[in-house]
Amino acid sequence: DIQMTQSPSSLSASVGDRVTITCQASQDISNYLNWYQQKPGKAPKLLIYDASNLETGVPSRFSGSGSGTDFTFTISSLQPEDIATYYCQQYDNLPTFGQGTRLEIK
Amino acid sequence: QVTLKESGPVLVKPTETLTLTCTVSGFSLSNARMGVSWIRQPPGKALEWLAHIFSNDEKSYSTSLKSRLTISKDTSKSQVVLTMTNMDPVDTATYYCARTEVSSSGPGWFDPWGQGTLVTVSS
Repeated sequence: DIQMTQSPSSLSASVGDRVTITCQASQDISNYLNWYQQKPGKAPKLLIYDASNLETGVPSRFSGSGSGTDFTFTISSLQPEDIATYYCQQYDNLPTFGQGTRLEIK
Repeated sequence: QVTLKESGPVLVKPTETLTLTCTVSGFSLSNARMGVSWIRQPPGKALEWLAHIFSNDEKSYSTSLKSRLTISKDTSKSQVVLTMTNMDPVDTATYYCARTEVSSSGPGWFDPWGQGTLVTVSS
């Protein structure tokens, strides 16, 4: 199975900050990479698919980039409602998720 | 509006078989571009994909759990069923079903998800 390594595992930032999360695949996955947001007690929500495509209705402050093995997820200006855990997920082979990044407000 | 809802027991005993049902609305299980996956999340831990069923009834399973899982669907009832045999306390988790966009490589992305159902394995 393809292993996905996310970093950092947790992150504290201030409102308005630019936040970046990285995800590294154990082998080349082209652009077969998605990002999800999970708020406490809720199901995950798809934010970005195919590495850089914003899901309909998702605010434009969220973005994704990368291809091959290295991917980046960015929030351009952190808002209080963005507090959540974020997961990457590859689908080049059987789907696997990263271990998650817990984002907190400083 | 697309919705999915999981149902099943909240408590199972070790060695028992778990059966979960996902009832979908707003899309058809015969849609070639869509399928349904099951994903679980132990308390405080990461997400783990379990299984997927395509519109043509083809299935795919997690490598590590393949021997214990069976996924099936009843298109007329808009339901997808997951069974997991020989349950163990480490299988305690919230189990989600999700509509899955089918890609050239298989299951793609998951959107939307059901609310999830917490299954506890304990004697």
